[in-house]
Amino acid sequence: EDKVVQSPLSLVVHEGDTVTLNCSYEVTNFRSLLWYKQEKKAPTFLFMLTSSGIEKKSGRLSSILDKKELFSILNITATQTGDSAVYLCAVRSTGNQFYFGTGTSLTVIP
Amino acid sequence: EAGVAQSPRYKIIEKRQSVAFWCNPISGHATLYWYQQILGQGPKLLIQFQNNGVVDDSQLPKDRFSAERLKGVDSTLKIQPAKLEDSAVYLCASSLEGLARGYFGPGTRLTVT
Repeated sequence: EDKVVQSPLSLVVHEGDTVTLNCSYEVTNFRSLLWYKQEKKAPTFLFMLTSSGIEKKSGRLSSILDKKELFSILNITATQTGDSAVYLCAVRSTGNQFYFGTGTSLTVIP
Repeated sequence: EAGVAQSPRYKIIEKRQSVAFWCNPISGHATLYWYQQILGQGPKLLIQFQNNGVVDDSQLPKDRFSAERLKGVDSTLKIQPAKLEDSAVYLCASSLEGLARGYFGPGTRLTVT
């Protein structure tokens, strides 16, 4: 059964901390892995990863994929209260299907 | 570029009533997805269309849920009759075949009382 598992389920940090969110997957016919940020609305796209070892970076956020070990991490440095959200990991198969994890709920305290 | 449109944004109904949601994907996107997201959980795929054909509806509760995508563009998702456990946000997403990214609509928040 195809699945995506995220950890931790929830995280509370103080502003300025660095956090690492984990996503492991077992999906046949892997095509890409995506990270989304979800506040009180629909998920917004952060990163798409297709190749191992190539870091994607956007400001304080970065992500990397390991296709051999079947996981990805999302790093957020110098966290701000605006980073508080649920971070969703999804894997897209070659059949154009998306498999989502349950998300990691991040709360950043001032 | 216009995004994925959904309506209504909110709906409150009583159990055993019927409800329908509408989605208009991004122009040219052949693939359309309906997801159900219960509070505290990740989105769960209900149905996936490729143009107007169904690719995957294995998790659609077919005794009460139905969906169609006429002419391969707009789509409607119907629940009849609704149950309390159907309370969730219903997300519509679309994608181009060649792109890995799914674009999400704003969602419809359904409350069944």
